[in-house]
Amino acid sequence: DAGITQSPRHKVTETGTPVTLRCHQTENHRYMYWYRQDPGHGLRLIHYSYGVKDTDKGEVSDGYSVSRSKTEDFLLTLESATSSQTSVYFCAISEEVDQPQHFGDGTRLSIL
Amino acid sequence: AQSVTQLGSHVSVSEGALVLLRCNYSSSVPPYLFWYVQYPNQGLQLLLKYTSAATLVKGINGFEAEFKKSETSFHLTKPSAHMSDAAEYFCAVSVPGRGSYIPTFGRGTSLIVHP
Repeated sequence: DAGITQSPRHKVTETGTPVTLRCHQTENHRYMYWYRQDPGHGLRLIHYSYGVKDTDKGEVSDGYSVSRSKTEDFLLTLESATSSQTSVYFCAISEEVDQPQHFGDGTRLSIL
Repeated sequence: AQSVTQLGSHVSVSEGALVLLRCNYSSSVPPYLFWYVQYPNQGLQLLLKYTSAATLVKGINGFEAEFKKSETSFHLTKPSAHMSDAAEYFCAVSVPGRGSYIPTFGRGTSLIVHP
């Protein structure tokens, strides 16, 4: 299995607080992605990265920011969490953009 | 723009029966196509990938999928369902362009296997 670790695995927080999710890989893959998974919507891309300090927006990027200061770490930040951001968040990596993605086990985030 | 549609949010089969999960895509250029499986409380795992080498693609766990350009389809099949196949299945399409090759996922199909 690809070495991908998401932390934390579960988090409960309150509306208006900042939240940061971490994705760590040991595969040295160039591409990293953040998705959210909601019932009836499948997986929706939030942001992705194609190298250190190189990121781009996905289809549901509003309210989220990302940073990648090292190849192995990709951080997702909710600056001021809202209840609509309650979801399961998945990190994925791929060696190149046209290669299959490998997924972490997810972070279940609840915003009350 | 690319898109993918999975017909049926739930598919129910008996153990030993044929599994057929439907995926149709929209793309103006030849796509890459993927099927992933997700077991409860886990991330997605790749089942198989189409990259134009062969229209019939064999994957893990006895699954296969056939690319049909004329029907813009990439349906997933397995001849005989096992209880362990119960999971969520996602089809994804990837094409070159802006955001080149970043895949788009379908909404998923939940496979239910009855004893």
